[in-house]
Amino acid sequence: EAQVTQNPRYLITVTGKKLTVTCSQNMNHEYMSWYRQDPGLGLRQIYYSMNVEVTDKGDVPEGYKVSRKEKRNFPLILESPSPNQTSLYFCASSHRQGLIKNIQYFGAGTRLSVL
Amino acid sequence: LAKTTQPISMDSYEGQEVNITCSHNNIATNDYITWYQQFPSQGPRFIIQGYKTKVTNEVASLFIPADRKSSTLSLPRVSLSDTAVYYCLVGPVSSGSARQLTFGSGTQLTVLP
Repeated sequence: EAQVTQNPRYLITVTGKKLTVTCSQNMNHEYMSWYRQDPGLGLRQIYYSMNVEVTDKGDVPEGYKVSRKEKRNFPLILESPSPNQTSLYFCASSHRQGLIKNIQYFGAGTRLSVL
Repeated sequence: LAKTTQPISMDSYEGQEVNITCSHNNIATNDYITWYQQFPSQGPRFIIQGYKTKVTNEVASLFIPADRKSSTLSLPRVSLSDTAVYYCLVGPVSSGSARQLTFGSGTQLTVLP
């Protein structure tokens, strides 16, 4: 089954404790992205990657890092989490084949609370 | 990037047809219009995409007038399970466009019994 898998689904941590949220897709997509979703602000892109070893900042990259060492994986790293990073995070991947292009497939989400 | 404007919320009743309109006055020549649906605490899911005129699939129809400055998502005979947030996105779908499809705040559709 084609899917984007995020782990963990829920995470409670404390300020300053480094954490990684993993994302993996099995569709051989070139593009992957991370979003955060906050009430009233919709989905905002954090980082995106067009291919292996190619990443770039989205709208709200401060406080986050990413890496793309393999095509299928795109982890999100919070080196020193702060309470304002408490949010719902989504990973997405996309392709551009056929008539329907650049459709983004989303993971189930990771709800992060930073105390 | 084309800015989009959608109603914040809409209510409907089961069995009715629902039309959600999105305005995108500065749409560019190579921009496509894509709609996503999001249920609470789930990731958005693709519904439909179009460039001009009308597109129909098993879930919805998308109407795009000739000037492409707006588009209308039509959901036939909605049910309670169609209660969700609907996002209209406008942007290019060529290489390098993963950055450029920005989600706004969407339209909260509530279907009432």
